[in-house]
This record gives sequence, C-alpha cells and structure tokens, in this order.
Amino acid sequence: AQTVTQSQPEMSVQEAETVTLSCTYDTSESDYYLFWYKQPPSRQMILVIRQEAYKQQNATENRFSVNFQKAAKSFSLKISDSQLGDAAMYFCAYGNSGYALNFGKGTSLLVTP
Amino acid sequence: DAGVTQSPTHLIKTRGQQVTLRCSPKSGHDTVSWYQQALGQGPQFIFQYYEEEERQRGNFPDRFSGHQFPNYSSELNVNALLLGDSALYLCASSRRGYKFSYNEQFFGPGTRLTVL
Repeated sequence: AQTVTQSQPEMSVQEAETVTLSCTYDTSESDYYLFWYKQPPSRQMILVIRQEAYKQQNATENRFSVNFQKAAKSFSLKISDSQLGDAAMYFCAYGNSGYALNFGKGTSLLVTP
Repeated sequence: DAGVTQSPTHLIKTRGQQVTLRCSPKSGHDTVSWYQQALGQGPQFIFQYYEEEERQRGNFPDRFSGHQFPNYSSELNVNALLLGDSALYLCASSRRGYKFSYNEQFFGPGTRLTVL
C-alpha cells in the first residue's frame, strides 16, 4: 500500500517570505501522480499543484512550486512571497490511477504579518 | 458551474442510528469518491462509484455503503453509527470515460457528522 508522510505538523512563515513544506511517500509503482491540496478553515479542499511522476521537470503554478525527487520519493512544496490567504492546512496526496487518493496527515501553515 | 455540492452541511446523530449523506458532482463529471476526514487527520478513502457501481473500496466496514444514481449523484449511507464515525465526510468528483491523464478530483465542502 502506498503511504504518504508529512513530518511537519505545523509551520510558520512571515508575509512575503518563502516556506517549504515536506512530503515523502512510499510506492512500488513507476507511474503515479502527486498533489498538494490546500484546505482553509472553510473546509473546501483545493488543488494547489500536481506532478506527474514521469516528468522530470518540477511543476510550477505562480508562487507555488515543487521539488520532486523521484529516487528519494520526496515531494516538497515551496510557497514564495507568502500571503495571509495562504494560511491553511496543506495535504500531500498520491494517486496512481483514476481511483483513490492517499493523503498525508497535513501541515498547518500559519502566516504572520 | 456549481462545482461539487454536498448536503446537509452539518448533522447530529446518536449511536446506533443510520445516516445518509448526499453529493452532486461537478458538471461533466461521472465519477464520485467519498472520503472520511477525522479531526486533525488527512482524508481517508472510503469508496468510489462509476457507472452506478462501486469500483474501489478503502478499509471501511460494511456499515458504510453507497449508491450512485443515473444522473451521477451519489449517497453515502452509514448504519449502526459509532462515536468514532464523527468526522467530516468529503465527496470528490472526477471524469473518467477514457484513460485518465491524471487523477484530479474536485472536492465538495463536506458534511460534518457528529455522533453523540
């Protein structure tokens, strides 16, 4: 079974600074997808960024980028120029087909003025 | 586009009762997945429905059952409720039909179930 581990229960960053959230996973598959989801207090889970395992290039979406290390099974999220609206729970997730997503336990991100 | 909608928003039940949660998928989506998110935890996969059949199931007991209707909407039923069933229940929709290029699932706002 695939497992996803987020070792940072909480992280804090000042506005306009950069923060990196860590995620590791375990799988025996070669083709899969990795995701970062954001869940604000409103509870709505929002996709932040995705990475296809067969792509070597790291995904980027505006201020959000990932560092995907396939051999190390590591998938970290970097948030640049942090904004107050970035404060939320962030979940790393793994999927290898059209079926279930496996989520980590999440990292709570606090953004301070 | 209304996105994924779920009802009700909140629900309070007592142990031993039965509950039904409802989900309408995003327009154009034909696949519905259900997740349970306990407080302080990540979502856990319950099951997925496509073409009105359960396609995959997570590690949940038979007390958890579901249904998908011809219009792709779905219900999650939980029988003989336990205190430990208290959680946020999330519905996610996606599009199948042909081979996935990626597994993007769009989530609803969830139903908060409290079992007393």
